[in-house]
Amino acid sequence: IQLTQSPSFLSASVGDRVTITCRASQGIRSYLAWYQQKPGKAPKLLIYSAFTLQSGVPSRFSGSGSGTEFTLTISSLQPEDFATYYCQQVNNYPLTFGGGTKVEI
Amino acid sequence: QVQLQESGPGLVKPSQTLSLTCTVSGDSISSGDYYWSWIRQPPGKGLEWIGYISRSGSAYYNPSLKSRVTVSIDTSRNQFFLRVTSVTVADTAVYFCARALFRGYQLLNFDYWGPGILVTVSS
Repeated sequence: IQLTQSPSFLSASVGDRVTITCRASQGIRSYLAWYQQKPGKAPKLLIYSAFTLQSGVPSRFSGSGSGTEFTLTISSLQPEDFATYYCQQVNNYPLTFGGGTKVEI
Repeated sequence: QVQLQESGPGLVKPSQTLSLTCTVSGDSISSGDYYWSWIRQPPGKGLEWIGYISRSGSAYYNPSLKSRVTVSIDTSRNQFFLRVTSVTVADTAVYFCARALFRGYQLLNFDYWGPGILVTVSS
């Protein structure tokens, strides 16, 4: 299953509302996770099962969608949110990731 | 707090075998509904799932690498391992180990990751 993220790059300012889209090449029910990765670091789990917030993740992050179209929303972008975001489908083998969305200042 | 740490050579010659170890601390690798996974990321590129293994030794692999990859586990040492044979420059990447969380038979996410180790394939 191919995951297509859009946009690939996003320029935004602190306080902005940001939305990232992930489209699956076939239906994956709600089995999609979102990760945040900063340079030189491992990915960090933000959201799983499309909309469930991982413990400890700020509530400004939210996820929605099912089937083939999913979104990650950051309600008010903070300085620490500038990073690359990846979606991952866990419904079918092989497990796959989207190409990433880099959020820049 | 579960912690994972990758270890192994940072440089491997073409055609040789890449071998990495992931050491888990803070919890037993035998407990809970988890699979233990390897993911890699070529420099400047995206993430690729390599494969994972259960505490009982059931393993699943990405077909793109399956013929060259083996994931194994040693519960007595709280470690799991990756072997990639016949490496080429295309296998140069940061390799991450991670814990895959299941609920029943459904995989949910990769909730804990190691910091990653850069492995360069070069003569």
